[in-house]
Amino acid sequence: EAGVTQFPSHSVIEKGQTVTLRCDPISGHDNLYWYRRVMGKEIKFLLHFVKESKQDESGMPNNRFLAERTGGTYSTLKVQPAELEDSGVYFCASSMAGGVTDTQYFGPGTRLTVL
Amino acid sequence: AQSVAQPEDQVNVAEGNPLTVKCTYSVSGNPYLFWYVQYPNRGLQFLLKYITGDNLVKGSYGFEAEFNKSQTSFHLKKPSALVSDSALYFCAVRDLGDNNDMRFGAGTRLTVKP
Repeated sequence: EAGVTQFPSHSVIEKGQTVTLRCDPISGHDNLYWYRRVMGKEIKFLLHFVKESKQDESGMPNNRFLAERTGGTYSTLKVQPAELEDSGVYFCASSMAGGVTDTQYFGPGTRLTVL
Repeated sequence: AQSVAQPEDQVNVAEGNPLTVKCTYSVSGNPYLFWYVQYPNRGLQFLLKYITGDNLVKGSYGFEAEFNKSQTSFHLKKPSALVSDSALYFCAVRDLGDNNDMRFGAGTRLTVKP
């Protein structure tokens, strides 16, 4: 069974540019999550999709971040315009059910560097 | 709101020795606790979780963790460390009372030396 995949693995952009990250969850997983780890700190929750609907986006830092999951399959996270503090590793995770005890399976992450 | 602390940034052990990676938590309700490991250039891999029941939870790769409610801890342990266990370990907690968000600790880098 294929795991969670993310593209690209690395992205280096300049401040003010736009970047789009993609996540393909495990097939059949309705729940998709985005997380971010900045500068060696803790991994922080960004948002949670159930199928194509945003269940919880309380962790999104500001309106420069836009997440979509059209058709309830893969998801994209767009940062526009990117700022220096957006640098970090963006992780995507998916799970079958969305309950508090359900295991989330993570992708390899996208390392974003904003210069 | 729930939170997790991993008090050690770095843990060094010799191969064959037991290892412990510490984690303490704070929640308003019942804690649901997880351990993940990140190997170099890889994503987070699930190791084990505590939901309810037996306080000693066994997971992948010979790891186990002990839930201690009185000390609000969930330390990760392995009886005999391998060099291949060297990685970054994350503890996480979820709580029904906080939007089901998963809160992670800052991570502990484990280095096992031959």
